[in-house]
Amino acid sequence: DTGVSQDPRHKITKRGQNVTFRCDPISEHNRLYWYRQTLGQGPEFLTYFQNEAQLEKSRLLSDRFSAERPKGSFSTLEIQRTEQGDSAMYLCASSPWTPGSYNEQFFGPGTRLTVL
Amino acid sequence: GENVEQHPSTLSVQEGDSAVIKCTYSDSASNYFPWYKQELGKRPQLIIDIRSNVGEKKDQRIAVTLNKTAKHFSLHITETQPEDSAVYFCAASWGNDMRFGAGTRLTVKP
Repeated sequence: DTGVSQDPRHKITKRGQNVTFRCDPISEHNRLYWYRQTLGQGPEFLTYFQNEAQLEKSRLLSDRFSAERPKGSFSTLEIQRTEQGDSAMYLCASSPWTPGSYNEQFFGPGTRLTVL
Repeated sequence: GENVEQHPSTLSVQEGDSAVIKCTYSDSASNYFPWYKQELGKRPQLIIDIRSNVGEKKDQRIAVTLNKTAKHFSLHITETQPEDSAVYFCAASWGNDMRFGAGTRLTVKP
């Protein structure tokens, strides 16, 4: 499968625990995005990387959230001291962006987080 | 920042009828408008997109129109089939980020 992959697909954790999700983008894509999606809503932008550089972070991304893309390939999203309000689907998308191109994004299957 | 509004939130049609979903955006700099289909428990799938230099695009039963002056764009599905039932999201992007509408749950009744 050459699409975007995410791991794990499901995560159940207790409040206060830390969790980490991984995203593997389509190999030639230089941009990688993280979104959060709650039931009945569209994906909400969290942050994005161009290669290894994190270029933008949403105000939704509290200081408990951190994302990395150390080698410009896969990315991790960590949530520290999870809260019940963090329960959501976390989606990753990648894009083959070049200057002047359009922002086509291809999504992974998501990681569904449940905080008890 | 960009704000995307999508209507209706739910839409029920009879098989064979047409379905239309409308979105408006706020940032005149937006130049790319994709539509995604999301089935229950699955990832959003890009079904069609339109760029700001084009007014209309068609792909078989699906078409999208864009009115840059009014800042709105629409998805049209003709001859709907039960497998078209899903949640549809519009989005607007100007290059760096993308903002999504809240989604339309389309139900096609056989």
